[in-house]
Amino acid sequence: SQTIHQWPATLVQPVGSPLSLECTVEGTSNPNLYWYRQAAGRGLQLLFYSVGIGQISSEVPQNLSASRPQDRQFILSSKKLLLSDSGFYLCAWSVGRVSTDTQYFGPGTRLTVL
Amino acid sequence: AQSVTQLGSHVSVSEGALVLLRCNYSSSVPPYLFWYVQYPNQGLQLLLKYTSAATLVKGINGFEAEFKKSETSFHLTKPSAHMSDAAEYFCAVTSSEYGNKLVFGAGTILRVKS
Repeated sequence: SQTIHQWPATLVQPVGSPLSLECTVEGTSNPNLYWYRQAAGRGLQLLFYSVGIGQISSEVPQNLSASRPQDRQFILSSKKLLLSDSGFYLCAWSVGRVSTDTQYFGPGTRLTVL
Repeated sequence: AQSVTQLGSHVSVSEGALVLLRCNYSSSVPPYLFWYVQYPNQGLQLLLKYTSAATLVKGINGFEAEFKKSETSFHLTKPSAHMSDAAEYFCAVTSSEYGNKLVFGAGTILRVKS
């Protein structure tokens, strides 16, 4: 069966510090991968998605970037964190068509920027 | 702009009572519709999915949802609430009008009273 991992589970970082969040998927090949951010009291905002190694689509211009160095690894990064980057970051995967196939979510990373 | 609206950011029901969580969407083309559940500090878990087959969709944990094209609605119901149903519920929609991306509503927090 497929499993998705995210780490760390929680993170507290000062403003201006760098960020690296990692997501890995097991049990499937060539998945579509997604990064979402969930701010308090709001729904999920799609940040990036990837349909293959090195292929990244950015949905919202911001202080973050994403990379996919391996088939089942998706990394979310920032060079300098802002207070507004605080939130709950969720990674998800799907197979097949990005538009219609079910997305399965990881456990999330709670990021607090102070 | 396309939108997903969940009526009521908080819903409170008594244990054993009917659960009704409302979702309305905008789309003039056939959509794919999803309901996810999120427990505190966890990722999202798929409850059910509508993909243009039967209009009444049954999901996990006794939940079901009915697609009503004329009302552009996809409300989630459960005949009898359990304490374990207390969580946040998200409706999500995708179609070509959403750029083939999954767009989430703002969420509804369900409270179950004993």
